[in-house]
Amino acid sequence: GAVVSQHPSRVICKSGTSVKIECRSLDFQATTMFWYRQFPKQSLMLMATSNEGSKATYEQGVEKDKFLINHASLTLSTLTVTSAHPEDSSFYICSASNSFLTYEQYFGPGTRLTVT
Amino acid sequence: GENVEQHPSTLSVQEGDSAVIKCTYSDSASNYFPWYKQELGKGPQLIIDIRSNVGEKKDQRIAVTLNKTAKHFSLHITETQPEDSAVYFCAASTTGGGNKLTFGTGTQLKVEL
Repeated sequence: GAVVSQHPSRVICKSGTSVKIECRSLDFQATTMFWYRQFPKQSLMLMATSNEGSKATYEQGVEKDKFLINHASLTLSTLTVTSAHPEDSSFYICSASNSFLTYEQYFGPGTRLTVT
Repeated sequence: GENVEQHPSTLSVQEGDSAVIKCTYSDSASNYFPWYKQELGKGPQLIIDIRSNVGEKKDQRIAVTLNKTAKHFSLHITETQPEDSAVYFCAASTTGGGNKLTFGTGTQLKVEL
C-alpha cells in the first residue's frame, strides 16, 4: 500500500502554546486527507476532512479556530493545535486518499501529543 | 449519519483457533467496508476490505463477509497466531476513499499460547 508519514511522532508542549503536525503522502497524490483523534482505549474520531486547495470540513463539535488544517499540496497537510490545553493531549492520526484511484485510505503512524 | 457497532469489545482465543468479529451499520448507502489492525502506539493498517457488490472476500487466513440486507459484516481470522494480537476496527463509508469513514468501537484480540 501507499506510504503516509507524520511528523513529529511525539511532541510535548506547554499549555497555551501551539503545535504543528505534518502529514505527508510519500508515493502518491492525496486529493483528500483526513485528521483523526484517538483517546486511550477508544476508537478513531474524525476531526476534519480536507481536499487539496480547499478549506477543511470540520466534524460537529470540533473547533475550527483551535484545530487549523492546511492542505496546500497533494502531498502535504498540516494540523495546528492552537493554544493547546491538557485536554488536547491525544493521539492524532492522519490518513490520505486519492478518490480518483481507489477506495482506500492510507493511515499515518500517528502523533502522540502531550500538553503539560 | 452512519453509525457502526462492533462486537465483541474483547476477544481471547487460543493459538490456532479462529476469531470472529462482527459489525453492523445503519446507513444503507454505505458501500465500502474496510477492516483495520492497530498495534499499540501505531496507526491503523488496512488488512482487508469489501465493497457492497460482493458478499465475501478472502486473503489467506483473513476473510470478510457482508450481508447487505441485514447491514452487517464480519471479520474471520483462522489459525490465529500470537502476532494477530492487536485492536481491530471495522469501518463503513459511502462511495469510497474520498468520503469519510465511520469506525466501529474496536475489538481487542488476544491470542494466547
